[in-house]
Amino acid sequence: DQQVKQNSPSLSVQEGRISILNCDYTNSMFDYFLWYKKYPAEGPTFLISISSIKDKNEDGRFTVFLNKSAKHLSLHIVPSQPGDSAVYFCAASEVSYDKVIFGPGTSLSVIP
Amino acid sequence: NAGVTQTPKFRILKIGQSMTLQCTQDMNHNYMYWYRQDPGMGLKLIYYSVGAGITDKGEVPNGYNVSRSTTEDFPLRLELAAPSQTSVYFCASSRTGDSNQPQHFGDGTRLSIL
Repeated sequence: DQQVKQNSPSLSVQEGRISILNCDYTNSMFDYFLWYKKYPAEGPTFLISISSIKDKNEDGRFTVFLNKSAKHLSLHIVPSQPGDSAVYFCAASEVSYDKVIFGPGTSLSVIP
Repeated sequence: NAGVTQTPKFRILKIGQSMTLQCTQDMNHNYMYWYRQDPGMGLKLIYYSVGAGITDKGEVPNGYNVSRSTTEDFPLRLELAAPSQTSVYFCASSRTGDSNQPQHFGDGTRLSIL
């Protein structure tokens, strides 16, 4: 059973518009959430994270929102740029757990 | 500025062959990880290590072995390759195992078993 779900395998957005990538989780013990970005033929790279004690974290064009009651988080990219075209993985971990659980990823295409 | 380096980038194996996927990091990170990524799936943890001489199983360890003789190196061994092991393998490292520590990934090894 997937503990971290990304129900949209792909998303297309026009350049300059907002991209919203969604992630749902089932384990209420998760206390930290991370987003990774992956280009073809490269490894994932860390993008942004959020602790469960917060509901929002912002870094430039990237903002992550966390709704603990709904067990849902989302990544907002504003404005979207063609260079943002990549696969985005949502990941979650428990406070005393060495391992991170990754979602299946969402492929974002930003159309010029 | 190498970070995490994986070799080889691509490999084709025949069923029953063995091979070692190499991983080295130059960031002096204590924690290292091996993941596999199958199409349409997230990364699945195979093995991880919290320091030299210490390894532990992840979610999908069957068919694999690891060792950690130094801080820098964390090789993954396939003893009897099977078609189910066709995948992209990623090695990663982090300074600690704390949940707020992002992992640094290599560029992956694409392995096909025929």
